[in-house]
Amino acid sequence: DFQMTQSPSSLSASVGDRVTITCRTSQSISTYLNWYQQTPGKAPKLLIYATSNLQSGVPSRFSGSGSGTEFTLTISGLQPEDFATYYCQQSYSTLITFGQGTRLEIK
Amino acid sequence: QVTLRESGPALVKPTQTLTLTCTVSGFSLDTSGIYVSWIRQPPGKALEWLARYDWDDDKFFSTSLKTRLTISKDTSKNQVVLTMTNMDPVDTATYYCARMRAVVAGNIVLDYWGQGILVTVSS
Repeated sequence: DFQMTQSPSSLSASVGDRVTITCRTSQSISTYLNWYQQTPGKAPKLLIYATSNLQSGVPSRFSGSGSGTEFTLTISGLQPEDFATYYCQQSYSTLITFGQGTRLEIK
Repeated sequence: QVTLRESGPALVKPTQTLTLTCTVSGFSLDTSGIYVSWIRQPPGKALEWLARYDWDDDKFFSTSLKTRLTISKDTSKNQVVLTMTNMDPVDTATYYCARMRAVVAGNIVLDYWGQGILVTVSS
């Protein structure tokens, strides 16, 4: 199975900050990497697919990059509604896997 | 619009079998390129993918749980059913079903999710 490692596990930031979350995979997955946002008590929501493509309705302050085994999610100009947990997910393998999550908290 | 809704017991006893139903609307389970997955999330922990049922009746299971899982589809009822045998307290989690579809270059995403159902395993 493909192992996914996110860093950091948690992160404190202020409104307006720029933050970056990293996702590393145990094997190359080309650009088959997606990002989800989850707020407490809610189901995850698709943010970015295929490494760098914004899902419809997602603000442009979210961006993604990477390929192979290292990927990043960047949020430029944090807004109050962005404080949530973020998960990466690989779809290179039929047996999809998620990262362990990065909790983004208000400083 | 696309919706998914999970249903099943909120409480099961250890060793029992859990049966969860995902009822979908706004799309057909037989549409080419459509898949439905089950994912779970223990309280305060990460997401874990469990199983997938494809439009062409292919099925896939988590390596670590495949001996305990079955998945089936009832197109007439717009339902995908997951069963998990020999439940244990560590299986306590919110269970989600989600629609999957292929986007760019075969990359498959989970684009719609149900609200989830909390299942507690306790005697």
